[in-house]
Amino acid sequence: AQTVTQSQPEMSVQEAETVTLSCTYDTSENNYYLFWYKQPPSRQMILVIRQEAYKQQNATENRFSVNFQKAAKSFSLKISDSQLGDTAMYFCAFMNRGFYDMRFGAGTRLTVKP
Amino acid sequence: DAGVTQSPTHLIKTRGQQVTLRCSPKSGHDTVSWYQQALGQGPQFIFQYYEEEERQRGNFPDRFSGHQFPNYSSELNVNALLLGDSALYLCASSLRQDQETQYFGPGTRLLVL
Repeated sequence: AQTVTQSQPEMSVQEAETVTLSCTYDTSENNYYLFWYKQPPSRQMILVIRQEAYKQQNATENRFSVNFQKAAKSFSLKISDSQLGDTAMYFCAFMNRGFYDMRFGAGTRLTVKP
Repeated sequence: DAGVTQSPTHLIKTRGQQVTLRCSPKSGHDTVSWYQQALGQGPQFIFQYYEEEERQRGNFPDRFSGHQFPNYSSELNVNALLLGDSALYLCASSLRQDQETQYFGPGTRLLVL
């Protein structure tokens, strides 16, 4: 089964601190894409960062970076200098190359406290 | 640049009824995917449309059907509604040559009573 597991249903962090959200996935394919999406209370899903499995270098996007461990099938998201606007549900997802169905985890609810 | 839009924003139906949800893709996009997000869960892939045809389907019954129009907009139809169909229905659009990068709409919240 091709699944995504997010083991932290809820997390909180103080403003300006760093937090890491965990994600593991299972796929038999070798070429795939990994994503982190943010869904604020307004519910519009926003792409935070994406990683191609064939790239060894971890993706970064401003305050957001990932730790991609292909052998361990792990894809964690690090948010640096957390801001109040980062409060949201965060979903980890993957898509096998050549397929069109994006698989999502159950999400981690992140609260940034002032 | 218009993003992905969906209508209606909310909808209440009763069991056994039929519903149609609509999606307009981001300007320039030609591919539309539909997802169902039950409360407290991640989205689940229903199907994807490209060139007015269903390209791939997730694990959903035939009660769920769709359509894509020549202007790339799309409809999701659900027949014989069940209580379990209550969910947020998300539409995402992408380009055929970059279908991994999906832009989501705000969703339609469907409540089945």
